[in-house]
Amino acid sequence: GIQVEQSPPDLILQEGANSTLRCNFSDSVNNLQWFHQNPWGQLINLFYIPSGTKQNGRLSATTVATERYSLLYISSSQTTDSGVYFCAGPYGQNFVFGPGTRLSVLP
Amino acid sequence: DAGVIQSPRHEVTEMGQEVTLRCKPISGHDYLFWYRQTMMRGLELLIYFNNNVPIDDSGMPEDRFSAKMPNASFSTLKIQPSEPRDSAVYFCASRGLAVNEQFFGPGTRLTVL
Repeated sequence: GIQVEQSPPDLILQEGANSTLRCNFSDSVNNLQWFHQNPWGQLINLFYIPSGTKQNGRLSATTVATERYSLLYISSSQTTDSGVYFCAGPYGQNFVFGPGTRLSVLP
Repeated sequence: DAGVIQSPRHEVTEMGQEVTLRCKPISGHDYLFWYRQTMMRGLELLIYFNNNVPIDDSGMPEDRFSAKMPNASFSTLKIQPSEPRDSAVYFCASRGLAVNEQFFGPGTRLTVL
């Protein structure tokens, strides 16, 4: 099946800083999602982004399907951005999740 | 829409007891997924349904686990008998037919003592 890698595994930021999270796939990506798991454990949909670029407030994402990677940009980070960010890619009708990037934003 | 609904949110039980987790998918969604999340293994798919029919249950750990979807608006995941190693957060997710975007419920945190 498809393998998903994420980097960095851990990231500590000062509030207000920007960051880029990366997701690599072992095979071509037909569709991809980014999720934020907050400290309460909820999985929140950030982006459904098979290709191209999308923006939502301080967050944006870019997927280059032909090169099998996706990037998540967080600008002007806030403490509420803390948590784990997962990308997930297709495997048949299911998604395979990456191991996540744990982000801590310090006040 | 209220999103994917799961109950209970927390469950504490003793080893050997039967546990039933419940899920109501988003109305109109054709696919329903059950996941388990642990520190050691991350998020892993257990089983998924399409139009109430189980399609792939290869992720179900063993025969102690079973899942049903009697209708389009309800699914259960049952563990019988439960063991301490089943302690985890169990998520249910659903998606529609046209767009392969999954939406997750809040999860059930299961603790087996």
